[in-house]
Amino acid sequence: NAGVTQTPKFRILKIGQSMTLQCTQDMNHNYMYWYRQDPGMGLKLIYYSVGAGITDKGEVPNGYNVSRSTTEDFPLRLELAAPSQTSVYFCASSLPPDRAYEQYFGPGTRLTVT
Amino acid sequence: AQSVTQPDIHITVSEGASLELRCNYSYGATPYLFWYVQSPGQGLQLLLKYFSGDTLVQGIKGFEAEFKRSQSSFNLRKPSVHWSDAAEYFCAVGYGGSQGNLIFGKGTKLSVKP
Repeated sequence: NAGVTQTPKFRILKIGQSMTLQCTQDMNHNYMYWYRQDPGMGLKLIYYSVGAGITDKGEVPNGYNVSRSTTEDFPLRLELAAPSQTSVYFCASSLPPDRAYEQYFGPGTRLTVT
Repeated sequence: AQSVTQPDIHITVSEGASLELRCNYSYGATPYLFWYVQSPGQGLQLLLKYFSGDTLVQGIKGFEAEFKRSQSSFNLRKPSVHWSDAAEYFCAVGYGGSQGNLIFGKGTKLSVKP
């Protein structure tokens, strides 16, 4: 098992550009999550999904979009990148119902918007 | 609103010394509580969790945590710290029913002196 994989590892964007952060898990987990981590601020939930075709907003969804067409993949789309989106992005997955909170994290994508 | 407080931003301990990292939470119902560890440049790894039952829980890497309802605390402890324990530690509270959503504290960075 590779677990949760994320690509790319690093990316620099110019203001106004768009990009998609990829996340794939091979553990057959139904639940998947996107977080952003800013220095000294912990992790904030952007979006989550409880299964293919079902997504919902977390605490900080503005400026992002997600889709979930398969169990394995949960891409995060940034449209019109802004400097405030400079952050480290983590994808996670978990297996409901008893273990929904035991989240497995990917290695992260470090994004800089200049 | 639910919140998690880790009062110590940075702690330095000597190798072999004991460790206690503090975590306080604010949550109306019975909490699900977690400690995660993040090594530099890595994703988060689950150290231990509390759902119910015995208030002293054991985790991986020799860590333990104690849930104290009267103090709304879930402090992480280790009797003897190793240099490899240097990392950032995050306390988290599970909320939002079955979706597995977590609120994270801002983290405590642990440095270990030789």
